[in-house]
Amino acid sequence: AQSVTQLDSQVPVFEEAPVELRCNYSSSVSVYLFWYVQYPNQGLQLLLKYLSGSTLVKSINGFEAEFNKSQTSFHLRKPSVHISDTAEYFCAVSDRSGGFKTIFGAGTRLFVKA
Amino acid sequence: EADIYQTPRYLVIGTGKKITLECSQTMGHDKMYWYQQDPGMELHLIHYSYGVNSTEKGDLSSESTVSRIRTEHFPLTLESARPSHTSQYLCASSERGREYSPLHFGNGTRLTVT
Repeated sequence: AQSVTQLDSQVPVFEEAPVELRCNYSSSVSVYLFWYVQYPNQGLQLLLKYLSGSTLVKSINGFEAEFNKSQTSFHLRKPSVHISDTAEYFCAVSDRSGGFKTIFGAGTRLFVKA
Repeated sequence: EADIYQTPRYLVIGTGKKITLECSQTMGHDKMYWYQQDPGMELHLIHYSYGVNSTEKGDLSSESTVSRIRTEHFPLTLESARPSHTSQYLCASSERGREYSPLHFGNGTRLTVT
């Protein structure tokens, strides 16, 4: 069965510092992987996705994530964070064994301090 | 600008009342979903629909029911609200025909049952 583990529930970081939000998944078949972001009092928005091809995927606002099949990981990184990046980040997986329904992790709250 | 709308945003209601949470989307998506979100927990899929007159229960057992009479509308109903139903409910949609299609979320309804 699919599952997603986000290893950190909260990550405090200073502005302009780098950050990594960790995500591991379990699946026995080929997967599609996603990161969603949720700003306060809003729904989730797609940040980036891995479908196939290049293992490094990037978002328009400077985030990137790397698919590592051997470690079953899809960590999210940003080299320099802004105050406006403060939000909750959800890792998600979808595969054939789950009927392509999306399974989410518990989320990581990123708190950027001035 | 949101293409998927949820009303109400906040609802406080007494035990035993019947409630309906509304969800509408203007993107023509065939697939629609209801997720339940509690702080620090994974989003749990409670209902989904792949088209008109098609509804399925999700991975998390829920006492709620849904209907899909029109493509754009996917309301969720609780016949008799209880304090255990207190949670945030997120509606989402996605395109049919693409197994990797990401989810588009509404802003959620935060339900409190007293």
